[in-house]
Order: sequence, then C-alpha cells, then structure tokens
Amino acid sequence: SQTIHQWPATLVQPVGSPLSLECTVEGTSNPNLYWYRQAAGRGLQLLFYSVGIGQISSEVPQNLSASRPQDRQFILSSKKLLLSDSGFYLCAWIGRGRSGNTIYFGEGSWLTVV
Amino acid sequence: EDQVTQSPEALRLQEGESSSLNCSYTVSGLRGLFWYRQDPGKGPEFLFTLYSAGEEKEKERLKATLTKKESFLHITAPKPEDSATYLCAVQRGRTGGSYIPTFGRGTSLIVHP
Repeated sequence: SQTIHQWPATLVQPVGSPLSLECTVEGTSNPNLYWYRQAAGRGLQLLFYSVGIGQISSEVPQNLSASRPQDRQFILSSKKLLLSDSGFYLCAWIGRGRSGNTIYFGEGSWLTVV
Repeated sequence: EDQVTQSPEALRLQEGESSSLNCSYTVSGLRGLFWYRQDPGKGPEFLFTLYSAGEEKEKERLKATLTKKESFLHITAPKPEDSATYLCAVQRGRTGGSYIPTFGRGTSLIVHP
C-alpha cells in the first residue's frame, strides 16, 4: 500500500534561519506531489505542486521554494524564514486507485518562527 | 474560478443528535468532490469521493450525498469521537494533469457526551 512520510513533525526556528521540510511517498511511482500550508481559520493554501522530477509549479509568490530531486521526494525550503511563515505544512500526493484522483495527506509539520 | 463554501463554520451537537454539514460549490466540469476529516494537529484523512449528482456513499455514521450545486455530509447519531473538522474539496478536469482540488475552510464539529 502507499504511504506518505513527512518530517520533521514539529520545529521552532528563529527569524532569518533556513528551512527544509521533507516528504517521501512509498508504494507508487510518478505521483503528483503537493505542499499546502494551513493557517488557523484560513483553510488549506496550495503552495507548490509537482507532476514530475524537477518540475515545480508555484501557486503563491512567497519566501518559500520547493524541489523534487527524486520521483518520490518533495522538499520545501526557505533561505530566510519570516514570522509569517509560521503554520502547519502538509505534504500530499494523488492516488489513482478506486477513489479516482484523490489527494492523500501526510501527518503535517508544525513550524513556529520566533 | 472554482469556489467551495462550507457551512456552518462550527457545529455543536449532543451525542445522538443527528445533523448535516453543507458544502456548496462552483466548478466547471466537476471531476470529483471529496470529503475529509481532520483531527487537531494532524493531516486530513480521506473519507469519500463523489463523482456525479445523485451519488451517495456511507461509512459508519457518515453519509455523503451530491447534487449539481452542493454536497451534504449527514452524521447519524454522532458520538464524541466524531468531533473533528470536516473538509470538502472539488476537483475539475485540468490540462497538464495537475488535478489540483479546491478546498473549503471546513466545519468544526464538536459532539458533547
């Protein structure tokens, strides 16, 4: 079966420090991969998506970047964090099983920028 | 532009008190409508996909229905463990295979014992 792993689960970073969140998917190949941010009361905001290795599409201009160095690996990065980058970050992938093109989410990463 | 509006924003029920959550949507060429459950501090958990008007799906105390303009998530005789935020999302066919869904802001459900 397919699984998605996301880490770290929680981190506290000072303003101006770098960020790296990693996501890997197992049990599938060539998945569509997504990074979302969820702020309290604001719903899910799509940040980046990727349909293949090295292919990144950005939905919202911001202080973050994404990379897909391998088929099942998706990384969210920042060179210098801002206070406004705090939030709950979710990695997700598309499953094309009996449920059609359903998005499945990882457990999330809580980022607090101080 | 695709739009998803969920109501109410918050709902408090007594254990055993059945109710429904609403998801109104605007999308060109619906490919699928999804329901998710999200517990605090965790990623959303997939519940259902509905593809066409008139379709219904059930899972334990939950039943999802779909019309051309909205979807309902019916909760029958809820228990405290049903307390969570319920998210609705719509997906339309797009070129390029991005399959990006549009999410609503969710309904926060609290079931009191």
